Amino acid sequence: AQRVTQPEKLLSVFKGAPVELKCNYSYSGSPELFWYVQYSRQRLQLLLRHISRESIKGFTADLNKGETSFHLKKPFAQEEDSAMYYCALSPNYQLIWGAGTKLIIKP
Amino acid sequence: DTGVSQDPRHKITKRGQNVTFRCDPISEHNRLYWYRQTLGQGPEFLTYFQNEAQLEKSRLLSDRFSAERPKGSFSTLEIQRTEQGDSAMYLCASSSTGGEGDEQYFGPGTRLTVT
Repeated sequence: AQRVTQPEKLLSVFKGAPVELKCNYSYSGSPELFWYVQYSRQRLQLLLRHISRESIKGFTADLNKGETSFHLKKPFAQEEDSAMYYCALSPNYQLIWGAGTKLIIKP
Repeated sequence: DTGVSQDPRHKITKRGQNVTFRCDPISEHNRLYWYRQTLGQGPEFLTYFQNEAQLEKSRLLSDRFSAERPKGSFSTLEIQRTEQGDSAMYLCASSSTGGEGDEQYFGPGTRLTVT
């Protein structure tokens, strides 16, 4: 079955601390993986996708096929990073989503 | 073009009534998606259009749900005989084929409350 698991519903870290949001997936083929973010009172928007291998707003994510993971990392959290983060898998045209992790950055 | 728009933003209806939501995608996008999101969960795929053709429907989409995209532009999602379990946020997204690939751009959503 195709599934995305985000084990943490809530993650709270202090400003300046490293952040890691976990994402594990279940998919038998070559996955296309995304991180979407939803800031307070805003719509869902793409943060990054594994295929582009770029860093957006200081965030990076590496696909680990052996561990079937696509964790999102940032070395130094900023208060404006507080948001809801969703990991998503695209086996074809649709997106299969994790339940999301709420990230709170404490001052 | 200010992005994907959805109307209405909020809808409160009584159980058993029919409701219809509208989505206007980004104008040059030929793919349109509907998702449903309940509290504490990520979005769940409902259906997908490429131009005016509805290419896929989730098993979540019961016979009470119907979606159309008559001219390959805007789309409507209708729910007949609403039930309390239909209460959710209904999200629309659009994307283009080609260079930008599969990035989906989301609308603000329509929040449905069935009383």
